[in-house]
Amino acid sequence: EVQLVQSGAEVKKPGESLKISCKGSGYSFTSYWIGWVRQMPGKGLEWMGIIYPGDSDTRYSPSFQGQVTISADKSISTAYLQWSSLKASDTAMYYCARHHGSGSWFDPWGQGTLVTVSS
Amino acid sequence: QSVLTQPPSVSGAPGQRVTISCTGSSSNIGAGYDVHWYQQLPGTAPKLLIYGNSNRPSGVPDRFSGSKSGTSASLAITGLQAEDEADYYCQSYDSSLSGSNVFGTGTKVTVL
Repeated sequence: EVQLVQSGAEVKKPGESLKISCKGSGYSFTSYWIGWVRQMPGKGLEWMGIIYPGDSDTRYSPSFQGQVTISADKSISTAYLQWSSLKASDTAMYYCARHHGSGSWFDPWGQGTLVTVSS
Repeated sequence: QSVLTQPPSVSGAPGQRVTISCTGSSSNIGAGYDVHWYQQLPGTAPKLLIYGNSNRPSGVPDRFSGSKSGTSASLAITGLQAEDEADYYCQSYDSSLSGSNVFGTGTKVTVL
């Protein structure tokens, strides 16, 4: 079964750093892109960026470029989303999802990681 | 701010047919890029519902269908059921945004 399992919920203070993870299994991790999607409380889905674990080629949404860092460790089939200095406005649910290539769809999705940033 | 616009909400009685529109532009849907649809049940992760404009993944009931024309796409749900109450999102690719995937604004479907 193709599966993406994300790391658990996080509670952080403004200014702190954070790295959340997304582990793939049941398929060739290096052969598909992994995307990250933000969903703020009560709001819609926002595409953040994608990475191709095979060669670490990474693309960012203009809205998130410079705000987060996407990376991957293909040796352990895991993708990451990282912040160097969190803000309260980063409070959201973050999903990873397997992407099937340019212009294509996201499937399956991870269960989501809730990030809460509060002083 | 999404470049794909959906109605905020649609509703229907059990058994009825509802449709959700997804309106884009010449840099995304109108440029020929495929449209995909997702269902997000309350408190859960999104799930792929339709891919490549009109294809259903295995396990998705044939009550769900998708179509695309010009700069818009539509998702239709026939024989509406209580378990279809969820948020629905379209997704495509936009060539004007540095190779960006884009999601629609989302539509809440309410079963009356």
